[in-house]
Amino acid sequence: EAGVTQSPTHLIKTRGQQATLRCSPISGHTSVYWYQQALGLGLQFLLWYDEGEERNRGNFPPRFSGRQFPNYSSELNVNALELEDSALYLCASSRPPWDEQFFGPGTRLTVL
Amino acid sequence: RKEVEQDPGPFNVPEGATVAFNCTYSNSASQSFFWYRQDCRKEPKLLMSVYSSGNEDGRFTAQLNRASQYISLLIRDSKLSDSATYLCVVNIPYLYNFNKFYFGSGTKLNVKP
Repeated sequence: EAGVTQSPTHLIKTRGQQATLRCSPISGHTSVYWYQQALGLGLQFLLWYDEGEERNRGNFPPRFSGRQFPNYSSELNVNALELEDSALYLCASSRPPWDEQFFGPGTRLTVL
Repeated sequence: RKEVEQDPGPFNVPEGATVAFNCTYSNSASQSFFWYRQDCRKEPKLLMSVYSSGNEDGRFTAQLNRASQYISLLIRDSKLSDSATYLCVVNIPYLYNFNKFYFGSGTKLNVKP
């Protein structure tokens, strides 16, 4: 069974630009979660999608947005990039409501 | 108050030692519990689910204490390769047919030769 995949692996942008990160969940999983992890810090919850709908949002500004497609893949968009957006962005998938989350390898975003 | 709290450590132990981590949760309605392991600059990986009866997987034992609202992870005969950050995760009812995951900030373990 293929795991969660994310692309790109690395992304380098400059301040003010926009970034798009992509995630494909494990087959059969309908929920996709996005997390931000700055260097040396814990996971910060960003967004949760299930069946194409946003179910919950973390404490992040509106320039962080996303969507989930009919095939359950998802993308995270970050507009007006700031230096502090540099982090590892992790995507996870699960089958609600009980099952555990499985993570992809992440996208490392660097904002210069 | 945070939903899930962990001692950040680091726990520095010699090879072969037994080490235990605790994690407390605040919501008594929490329904499922997990331990994840995260290596430096990598994604978290599921280590074990935690069941009411407790469960064991080789050198790893997880326990749940609902009365005191904590879960524990015991690692016996520590190996150098056990060095990582261990994340406690709690799943709490949210909306009518969903649960929401809460991650602890992690406990760092360093196993020394």
